[in-house]
Amino acid sequence: GAVVSQHPSRVICKSGTSVKIECRSLDFQATTMFWYRQFPKQSLMLMATSNEGSKATYEQGVEKDKFLINHASLTLSTLTVTSAHPEDSSFYICSARDERIGAFFGQGTRLTVV
Amino acid sequence: GENVEQHPSTLSVQEGDSAVIKCTYSDSASNYFPWYKQELGKGPQLIIDIRSNVGEKKDQRIAVTLNKTAKHFSLHITETQPEDSAVYFCAARLSGGSYIPTFGRGTSLIVHP
Repeated sequence: GAVVSQHPSRVICKSGTSVKIECRSLDFQATTMFWYRQFPKQSLMLMATSNEGSKATYEQGVEKDKFLINHASLTLSTLTVTSAHPEDSSFYICSARDERIGAFFGQGTRLTVV
Repeated sequence: GENVEQHPSTLSVQEGDSAVIKCTYSDSASNYFPWYKQELGKGPQLIIDIRSNVGEKKDQRIAVTLNKTAKHFSLHITETQPEDSAVYFCAARLSGGSYIPTFGRGTSLIVHP
């Protein structure tokens, strides 16, 4: 199947700093990418949807100034958690979609803010 | 919007037994139903999917059934193995528009050797 690479898999940062997470579609072009947040033992919560070259669409309750999403190319989207706080600690997962073959998830990023 | 209910939340079986996870959806316009397996600390992986024009689909030890009238679909795993232990999510997607699936809450499957 199609491969979506997400990096880093784990990151620990100090409170107040920013963290960037990358999501790459390795063998297909992703017209749309999705960013999810997952709390322990819970389902995936959609944070935002991004289309290449346009601004991301954020779900209700998600702060767009805190979670910056850039989808600069058909194979790369980034999520930057700005001024991170301990409550931002979570598992973040991206998903990349090609209209012909479907959507596939990255491996996830475990963010811990200390 | 779409609402997906998934049961059970946890399922414990003995190796070799079958496991069944059930989901219901609310919007009859949904036409695509994927199932994902998520191992600890990893992203979900698509394991099987079914479209609304098909009633059943099978891939080796896993199968999915769909009842459009009742708006429910199920995942069946036969001859379970310890490596099947994971969290399984069902999802439903509305027809048309962008691909934004609605996920169930997940089922933690534990296969005891």
